[in-house]
Amino acid sequence: SAVISQKPSRDICQRGTSLTIQCQVDSQVTMMFWYRQQPGQSLTLIATANQGSEATYESGFVIDKFPISRPNLTFSTLTVSNMSPEDSSIYLCSVETTNSFEQFFGPGTRLTVL
Amino acid sequence: QKEVEQNSGPLSVPEGAIASLNCTYSDRGSQSFFWYRQYSGKSPELIMSIYSNGDKEDGRFTAQLNKASQYVSLLIRDSQPSDSATYLCAVGGNNAGNMLTFGGGTRLMVKP
Repeated sequence: SAVISQKPSRDICQRGTSLTIQCQVDSQVTMMFWYRQQPGQSLTLIATANQGSEATYESGFVIDKFPISRPNLTFSTLTVSNMSPEDSSIYLCSVETTNSFEQFFGPGTRLTVL
Repeated sequence: QKEVEQNSGPLSVPEGAIASLNCTYSDRGSQSFFWYRQYSGKSPELIMSIYSNGDKEDGRFTAQLNKASQYVSLLIRDSQPSDSATYLCAVGGNNAGNMLTFGGGTRLMVKP
C-alpha cells in the first residue's frame, strides 16, 4: 500500500482563522479523499479531491468552508476556513489504490479550535 | 440515505477467544465491504476487504458477507490484548472512487 503523510499532525488554532492541511503520497494515485472524524464519532467524507479540477463535495460540506486543491497525483491540501470550535476534529486524507477499491488513510491531523 | 450499523460495544472477550463483530447496511447496491481497525489516537488501518458472498480468511481474521441479508461480519480468532481497538465497517460500490460509508464502530476489549 502507499505511504501517506499529513502535515501538520496537530494544531491548536484561534476562532476565525484558517488552517491548511497537506497530504502527500509516495506514489501516484487516482483517487484522494478527505474525511472528518469528530470526537467519539465515525468517519464522514468531506469531499473527493479531483486532480486538475474542482473537488466533489458531500452533502453538508461546501467549498467556501473547505477549499481543496489537488495539483498533481501525489499531493492534496484541505483548508478549514473561518474556524469555530465545532471544527475541532481529526481530518484524514485517504487514497484509493489503482485497480482496487481499497482506501488507505494517512495519519490524520488533530485540530483543536479555541 | 445509506446507513451502516454497528453495535458500539464495548465487546469484551477473554484472551484466546473468538471475537465476533457484526455490521448491517441499508443499500442493496453495495458491492465492496471493508473492515478497519482503529487504535485510540491513530488513523484507521485496513485489515480486510470482501466483495463476494461467503468467507474470506487472512491469518486470524475471517470476514463473512451475506448480501441477501445485507450483513457483513468479522471474526477474530485467538484474540489478543493487542486486538483491543475500535473496528469500523465500511461499505461502498464497485467503481473507482466509490464513496465509502462508515459505521459507527465497535469497541473491542480483549482481557488477559
